[in-house]
Amino acid sequence: AQSVTQPDIHITVSEGASLELRCNYSYGATPYLFWYVQSPGQGLQLLLKYFSGDTLVQGIKGFEAEFKRSQSSFNLRKPSVHWSDAAEYFCAVGVDTGTASKLTFGTGTRLQVTL
Amino acid sequence: DAGVIQSPRHEVTEMGQEVTLRCKPISGHNSLFWYRQTMMRGLELLIYFNNNVPIDDSGMPEDRFSAKMPNASFSTLKIQPSEPRDSAVYFCASSLVGSLRTGELFFGEGSRLTVL
Repeated sequence: AQSVTQPDIHITVSEGASLELRCNYSYGATPYLFWYVQSPGQGLQLLLKYFSGDTLVQGIKGFEAEFKRSQSSFNLRKPSVHWSDAAEYFCAVGVDTGTASKLTFGTGTRLQVTL
Repeated sequence: DAGVIQSPRHEVTEMGQEVTLRCKPISGHNSLFWYRQTMMRGLELLIYFNNNVPIDDSGMPEDRFSAKMPNASFSTLKIQPSEPRDSAVYFCASSLVGSLRTGELFFGEGSRLTVL
């Protein structure tokens, strides 16, 4: 079965600083990998995804993530954080079967941005 | 497009009462998922449907929980009887089968349940 680990529960960065959120996955085959963001009181919104090809993927809001098979990682990065990026971020691994597409989420990393 | 619609947004009830959460998926989507989010356990997949048929309910905590999808545009998650430990935010999400390459699992805004 697939699983996702986000080792950092809470991260605080200053506005304008760079950001890296860690994600490690466990899955037997090449996974579908995702990052979602959840603002307070809201549902989850897709930031970016990886399923094949270029291991560096670009997403919305200036985020990017790099897939490293050797490290089973899919870390999320942003060069310069804005105060509006404060939210909870979830990494997920996906399985696409003939009957359904299923996502398993990590426990999330809460990002706080200081001014 | 209206997105995934959940109701109620907030529910406060007393232990032992029946709770019904509702979800309307995005029109045309054929997979529907119920997730539960708590501080302790994060996002847990409770059950998912494909073409209105339950595919995997292994995440349903116990017999007090049940989910139905009588048609393509409506699903319910019922807890009977409710307990304080059921307090959580329950999310419904929908997608197209085989759509992970397009990446989108569309989430509703959630139903926050508090059981006193």
